[in-house]
Amino acid sequence: DSGVTQTPKHLITATGQRVTLRCSPRSGDLSVYWYQQSLDQGLQFLIQYYNGEERAKGNILERFSAQQFPDLHSELNLSSLELGDSALYFCASSLTLLNYNEQFFGPGTRLTVL
Amino acid sequence: GNSVTQMEGPVTLSEEAFLTINCTYTATGYPSLFWYVQYPGEGLQLLLKATKADDKGSNKGFEATYRKETTSFHLEKGSVQVSDSAVYFCALSDLAGAQKLVFGQGTRLTINP
Repeated sequence: DSGVTQTPKHLITATGQRVTLRCSPRSGDLSVYWYQQSLDQGLQFLIQYYNGEERAKGNILERFSAQQFPDLHSELNLSSLELGDSALYFCASSLTLLNYNEQFFGPGTRLTVL
Repeated sequence: GNSVTQMEGPVTLSEEAFLTINCTYTATGYPSLFWYVQYPGEGLQLLLKATKADDKGSNKGFEATYRKETTSFHLEKGSVQVSDSAVYFCALSDLAGAQKLVFGQGTRLTINP
């Protein structure tokens, strides 16, 4: 158990809908990262927050947004869903911004868009 | 930009065989290098890491050495077990890249008894 929790574990929805994925980082970790894992794109970085502020953006679509709340949990919002958004979404957390710090991954949310 | 290339999979070996999974990287700065493992139905777990040239990371019998001259970080294990069956990801993290992890495509390893 990494200490990172993600809910829900599975999500099945229809095209055009909007969903929210939730992540609670390990106790004390200030940095949260979101990654998308799909068969064709592999594991890709989406966005990073540190202590409530956005720090970096990767290949995140404009239909996707995220935020980190004062209690440090984070939410990833996906809207106007398309079939191609079906993927496994991981949240990870780390203590600081140092690049040698380990990132601890949650178990993921599997999103299926029908 | 930064990138990681792993050997093509899947890889199938017999128990007690020697394992090598090749990983090379391209980075503009001085990255830290990682191997993560993903067991079926689970998230990623850090297997080992190295933060500077010539460092050797090791864990659970796995080893990898940070080779700056060949920009490589190959994963090795002398005698694999059935329980090592998983997907292995090589990754780098660079301060210039905002600490995000850049992953290779993953290598699926199956160990037969």
